[in-house]
Amino acid sequence: GAVVSQHPSRVICKSGTSVKIECRSLDFQATTMFWYRQFPKQSLMLMATSNEGSKATYEQGVEKDKFLINHASLTLSTLTVTSAHPEDSSFYICSARGQNNSPLHFGNGTRLTVT
Amino acid sequence: KQEVTQIPAALSVPEGENLVLNCSFTDSAIYNLQWFRQDPGKGLTSLLLIQSSQREQTSGRLNASLDKSSGRSTLYIAASQPGDSATYLCSNQGGKLIFGQGTELSVKP
Repeated sequence: GAVVSQHPSRVICKSGTSVKIECRSLDFQATTMFWYRQFPKQSLMLMATSNEGSKATYEQGVEKDKFLINHASLTLSTLTVTSAHPEDSSFYICSARGQNNSPLHFGNGTRLTVT
Repeated sequence: KQEVTQIPAALSVPEGENLVLNCSFTDSAIYNLQWFRQDPGKGLTSLLLIQSSQREQTSGRLNASLDKSSGRSTLYIAASQPGDSATYLCSNQGGKLIFGQGTELSVKP
């Protein structure tokens, strides 16, 4: 089946630094990718939707200058957390979809800890 | 605004039981409906996708149904096993995905 690879799986960084998370579709072309954030014992909160070659659409309350999303190719999207703060510590998950009616496939997530 | 509710929030059953997880939407404009499982600290694994024109999908011991008129979906798990223990999430695939809070399932051996 379709595979989405997310890297890194865990990252620890210091406050004020930036962290880049990659999301790759390995065996299909992802026209749309989604980025989610998940706090412990809570559901996934959609942060932004990105379509290949265009700017990401951010959900209300998500700072686009803090969470930079790039979807430069049909197989790769990146999320960069800029000037990270401890409150940015969370589990970040990406998902990817090919055509509109195809299933959504998820990466294994990235555990970000900001110290 | 679309909201997704999953009932129950948590469920603990002995091995071998059949069980039903429920998912309901406030907006009956349901597109594709997808069920996922999430293991602790992991991403989501797709279980079943019901296209908007379909009423149910089956995969092994899993059966998911969709009633668009009432805005409800159920996930039926037959003969539950300890390996089924996970959090189960449903989502309505419109322009963007909205998830429920999930049902945390524990199957005791």
